[in-house]
Amino acid sequence: KQEVTQIPAALSVPEGENLVLNCSFTDSAIYNLQWFRQDPGKGLTSLLLIQSSQREQTSGRLNASLDKSSGRSTLYIAASQPGDSATYLCAVSTGTASKLTFGTGTRLQVTL
Amino acid sequence: EPEVTQTPSHQVTQMGQEVILRCVPISNHLYFYWYRQILGQKVEFLVSFYNNEISEKSEIFDDQFSVERPDGSNFTLKIRSTKLEDSAMYFCASSDYRNTEAFFGQGTRLTVV
Repeated sequence: KQEVTQIPAALSVPEGENLVLNCSFTDSAIYNLQWFRQDPGKGLTSLLLIQSSQREQTSGRLNASLDKSSGRSTLYIAASQPGDSATYLCAVSTGTASKLTFGTGTRLQVTL
Repeated sequence: EPEVTQTPSHQVTQMGQEVILRCVPISNHLYFYWYRQILGQKVEFLVSFYNNEISEKSEIFDDQFSVERPDGSNFTLKIRSTKLEDSAMYFCASSDYRNTEAFFGQGTRLTVV
């Protein structure tokens, strides 16, 4: 059974810092990995999708890497801003029906 | 930009009642999903739906639950005889093909009292 773990559970950084969020998964037989952002009481916003054959994806200040063989992904956020404060979730896609298995998330707070 | 739309945003129901949660997936998408998130817990997969049938379901998705695509645009989750532990945020998602980017709606917060 696929298990997804995210560390740290919570992170507080001052504005402008670069930061790294970590995600690990137990079964490397994934189709893709997706990073989401969740604001309190809100839905999930897709940030980046990395296919299993890819190593990296970039969108603006976000860069996600994938090491499928070791079961790890990182989300790098450059020059953090207060508006980046949210919970960040990673999820891996497995099985023929593309179901996503989610981690518990990292709650990020960017302070002024 | 196309988005997944869910209604209602919040529903309160009495224990034992039936509820129907509604979703309008992105129009050209073929794969549809329901997930739920109990407060403070992980987002959990419930069911996936393709070509008018369930393609996979989790252990949570027992006979109490059913899904339907009653027309070309709506995708519904029915929960029969609701229990207190069904209280959660329910998310609908869709993707254009298998194993492509999944887009989520804003969720329906279900409160069973």
